[in-house]
Amino acid sequence: QVQLQQSGPGLVKPSQTLSLTCAISGDSVSSNSVAWNWIRQSPSTGLEWLGRTYYRSKWYIDYAVSLKSRITINADTSRNQFSLQLNSVTPEDTAVYYCLRERGGCKGCMDVWGQGTTLIVSS
Amino acid sequence: DIQVTQSPSSLSASVGDRVTITCRASQSISDFLNWYQQKPGKAPKLLIYGASSLESGVPSRFSGSGSGTDFTLTVSNLQPEDFATYYCQQSHSTPRYTFGQGTKVE
Repeated sequence: QVQLQQSGPGLVKPSQTLSLTCAISGDSVSSNSVAWNWIRQSPSTGLEWLGRTYYRSKWYIDYAVSLKSRITINADTSRNQFSLQLNSVTPEDTAVYYCLRERGGCKGCMDVWGQGTTLIVSS
Repeated sequence: DIQVTQSPSSLSASVGDRVTITCRASQSISDFLNWYQQKPGKAPKLLIYGASSLESGVPSRFSGSGSGTDFTLTVSNLQPEDFATYYCQQSHSTPRYTFGQGTKVE
């Protein structure tokens, strides 16, 4: 079955860059029927969609408007994974970060989730 | 962005109860509404997609209904493993997905 394995630091200093990676098994990052998303969850903001990448003969990337100036999502076909970079982090970026698969044909449902990475932004 | 509002924010129930959670969208979203279950320390799990389609492997005591702006998740015959927090997600405004604030069943 499809599994997503997240990796990355759990502690980042303010103003630094967060980098997370999501390794895919059982599916392909280049699949033309799914999209690969990042979401975060905090007690203050709840579940917040951050962005996604997907392949439909070419690569597409969408970002949340609120983060567009700070976020980068990339796909790495050689390693079958995708990544999240968030620049200039602040304590407000403290949250649990999830990578997940958006399955095609199910009205934008998110059917496979990574295990989550708890990020703390603190000096 | 389309807002989705869940109610109640929490509810108290017992094993065997029928539980109903509602989700209201700030504008019509047709049937672009999905439901998730989350247990402490775990990632959310997809239960219902397209407002009423049961995800494979999810027990049939879970059901969803609604269209437009008003949606319902029903858990009939509540089981011990169903005590969790439930979230709705609108996927009409692709890709600006938004989630409800959650309903804790305790």
